[in-house]
Amino acid sequence: NAGVTQTPKFRVLKTGQSMTLLCAQDMNHEYMYWYRQDPGMGLRLIHYSVGEGTTAKGEVPDGYNVSRLKKQNFLLGLESAAPSQTSVYFCASSPLDSSSYNSPLHFGNGTRLTVT
Amino acid sequence: AQSVTQLDSQVPVFEEAPVELRCNYSSSVSVYLFWYVQYPNQGLQLLLKYLSGSTLVKGINGFEAEFNKSQTSFHLRKPSVHISDTAEYFCAVSEYTGNQFYFGTGTSLTVIP
Repeated sequence: NAGVTQTPKFRVLKTGQSMTLLCAQDMNHEYMYWYRQDPGMGLRLIHYSVGEGTTAKGEVPDGYNVSRLKKQNFLLGLESAAPSQTSVYFCASSPLDSSSYNSPLHFGNGTRLTVT
Repeated sequence: AQSVTQLDSQVPVFEEAPVELRCNYSSSVSVYLFWYVQYPNQGLQLLLKYLSGSTLVKGINGFEAEFNKSQTSFHLRKPSVHISDTAEYFCAVSEYTGNQFYFGTGTSLTVIP
């Protein structure tokens, strides 16, 4: 019963490098989200998806791209990393009707990214 | 967009003392309300949620919260805290008709032995 799995757990990048963060969920959830967590700012939504093949911008989408080619996977890409993207990234998923379930958002354990 | 305000960024409290973590939201539409807890180096876990019905909601680990529509508040309480309650607590809101969750900036609860 894995839930939401994020890879990698840690990564250090140099400015200008690119990388992809992978999120996988095994709960057949429709919705998936990418958040970043910064001290004193809580969680801010980067992008989200309401189903396979769909994506939408959140509060802070600039500098990131996403893809949802398969229902269980949601990828977050950084094309040209910047120090401002140093953060902890969390993926989450939720079922179609959040009022019918006990835990509306299921979170992964996060990816700690440092951009030097 | 929703706005969620957690009025206290840090709350120190002695073990076995009561605690209240405050949360206010701005909304002109009906919302669902949640409290999540984050232990060090982990993701967020649901503590409790308010969807409808009774305004007093009980969650895991002895926590409870009260929804006050007139004051647009959803404060979290525990009558007697334990060392293991030391963590970051986040209040969150989602709209009935939407699929986005809006989080507060978090309150760091430190329980002092």
